[in-house]
Amino acid sequence: ELKVEQNPLFLSMQEGKNYTIYCNYSTTSDRLYWYRQDPGKSLESLFVLLSNGAVKQEGRLMASLDTKARLSTLHITAAVHDLSATYFCAVGTSQHYYNNNDMRFGAGTRLTVKP
Amino acid sequence: DTGVSQDPRHKITKRGQNVTFRCDPISEHNRLYWYRQTLGQGPEFLTYFQNEAQLEKSRLLSDRFSAERPKGSFSTLEIQRTEQGDSAMYLCASSPQQWLKKQFFGPGTRLTVL
Repeated sequence: ELKVEQNPLFLSMQEGKNYTIYCNYSTTSDRLYWYRQDPGKSLESLFVLLSNGAVKQEGRLMASLDTKARLSTLHITAAVHDLSATYFCAVGTSQHYYNNNDMRFGAGTRLTVKP
Repeated sequence: DTGVSQDPRHKITKRGQNVTFRCDPISEHNRLYWYRQTLGQGPEFLTYFQNEAQLEKSRLLSDRFSAERPKGSFSTLEIQRTEQGDSAMYLCASSPQQWLKKQFFGPGTRLTVL
């Protein structure tokens, strides 16, 4: 059974600092998603990573995927308060891209950026 | 506003009652998904539609849950004989036809079963 582990689960950081959130998963996958969720709000899709070595960047966030290590990272550069939110990774393992049944979300990383 | 909308936003019900939620996706999106999220956890996939066809249901979905998308536009999720364990946020998302496009999530319906 696919297991998705994120760490850390809670992260408090100062504005201007860099940090990385890790997403490990237990079985072979070639598609991984990152989402952001603000308190009391719904999810916002950030990145879709589809191949080994894929790297995507938007603003202060950069996501990468290493399918051999079964690891994705979400790197935060020079954090600002507006990045405070919960970040989820989700992994799909089905043979077919259109199959959602085996997609699993991690428990989320709650990020707080302090001034 | 052309985002995904859900109704109601909050629902409180007594155990054993039936509830129905509605989702209106982004109009040009063919695919519609339902997820459930409990406090402190990531969302769990429940089911998804391509137009009016329900293509997939989670193996975890009990027979008390049913979803429809009769005209390929809005969708409803019904829970019969609700149990306290059904208390959660129910999220709807939609995406375009092409595979692997981003999913756009609605604000969710928070269900509390007393």
